[in-house]
Amino acid sequence: GAGVSQSPSNKVTEKGKDVELRCDPISGHTALYWYRQSLGQGLEFLIYFQGNSAPDKSGLPSDRFSAERTGGSVSTLTIQRTQQEDSAVYLCASSLDAGRRAMNGYTFGSGTRLTVV
Amino acid sequence: DAKTTQPPSMDCAEGRAANLPCNHSTISGNEYVYWYRQIHSQGPQYIIHGLKNNETNEMASLIITEDRKSSTLILPHATLRDTAVYYCIVRGGADGLTFGKGTHLIIQP
Repeated sequence: GAGVSQSPSNKVTEKGKDVELRCDPISGHTALYWYRQSLGQGLEFLIYFQGNSAPDKSGLPSDRFSAERTGGSVSTLTIQRTQQEDSAVYLCASSLDAGRRAMNGYTFGSGTRLTVV
Repeated sequence: DAKTTQPPSMDCAEGRAANLPCNHSTISGNEYVYWYRQIHSQGPQYIIHGLKNNETNEMASLIITEDRKSSTLILPHATLRDTAVYYCIVRGGADGLTFGKGTHLIIQP
């Protein structure tokens, strides 16, 4: 597609429920990144994929968070047993690849605003 | 990746040049300097990047000091739509960019 697409744009869920957030990167971009941004805070890096592989998962806040990417395209970030502190905007970005050849940097989506009540 | 230091906020009059400083004194030889901005309620937007030479594109200019320990992003003719948080990032590896708190630039009419 023309840009990075994220869905849903807004999600309100009850504490304890599981949620899935979807990211559809720019066609041909092999690298995909997940960030979250809590209200009034900076961006917190969560995880990145080069192709379908996630070399480093240490940025995920807890074992309730997981992410996968299939077919080198769409990625899903899953949060199990959501807590109120998970409320944030979850941003996805893609780039041509994860190395320095990604000279124009990342293209971000508009994010999913998650509210846990 | 090297850490960066930016002022938390700056004001600039509309139509004037906005000069946003960034210190990255621990930058290493293979790390690039990137600038992004985030307008309220939107995802960050790439602006420009450089290694050691000054760079210019349709959005901005990037001036990197000879010792590469600091840089300045220049918006030549700021408009109200340039009000945003501007992030200076240095990166050499393949993992995710590390965003700091950035500079909140406010363009005054």
